[in-house]
Amino acid sequence: DQQVKQNSPSLSVQEGRISILNCDYTNSMFDYFLWYKKYPAEGPTFLISISSIKDKNEDGRFTVFLNKSAKHLSLHIVPSQPGDSAVYFCAASNNTDKLIFGTGTRLQVFP
Amino acid sequence: GAVVSQHPSWVICKSGTSVKIECRSLDFQATTMFWYRQFPKQSLMLMATSNEGSKATYEQGVEKDKFLINHASLTLSTLTVTSAHPEDSSFYICSAREFGSGTDTQYFGPGTRLTVL
Repeated sequence: DQQVKQNSPSLSVQEGRISILNCDYTNSMFDYFLWYKKYPAEGPTFLISISSIKDKNEDGRFTVFLNKSAKHLSLHIVPSQPGDSAVYFCAASNNTDKLIFGTGTRLQVFP
Repeated sequence: GAVVSQHPSWVICKSGTSVKIECRSLDFQATTMFWYRQFPKQSLMLMATSNEGSKATYEQGVEKDKFLINHASLTLSTLTVTSAHPEDSSFYICSAREFGSGTDTQYFGPGTRLTVL
């Protein structure tokens, strides 16, 4: 049972435009959500997180939105840059330290 | 952000041998570390949770006698793949949990590529 889903395996965006990566979850007990960026053969890099008591968190070019009623979160990257090209994983936890990862979305930002 | 290191970054071994992978949190103390495995083009799969000073908690389907985990200090956890077989070839990634003062984030190591011949 996939509790965290990223239904788009890939996304292609032009440089300078907005990238929107989506993530859905099924467990209403999740209370903390994170986004990680991963290059091939490297460990994931933490990008941004959000607690379930908030609906938005912003850090530079990255903004995460949380819609608890829809059990949906999204990561917005604006403006997108070629260096943003990577696989993005969303992850969730439910007041434990275990993270449940989505399957990832490969973002490609082209000039 | 916090830094987590792994050693070695890659290792090739013969079938039947054991391989130890180290995970260190360099600038913070981590009472909890995690070991993940990633197959090509798949998500990260949590193998076990490593708690300093106590036994690791393994996820369902992970053989605890095959994947030995030791969390000897607040900055070091080791994963030993015993009697490795070709099907154990994978990318192993550790993470360390930084918790406190409004933060609760896992920071990942760079990963270790294991190839078993």
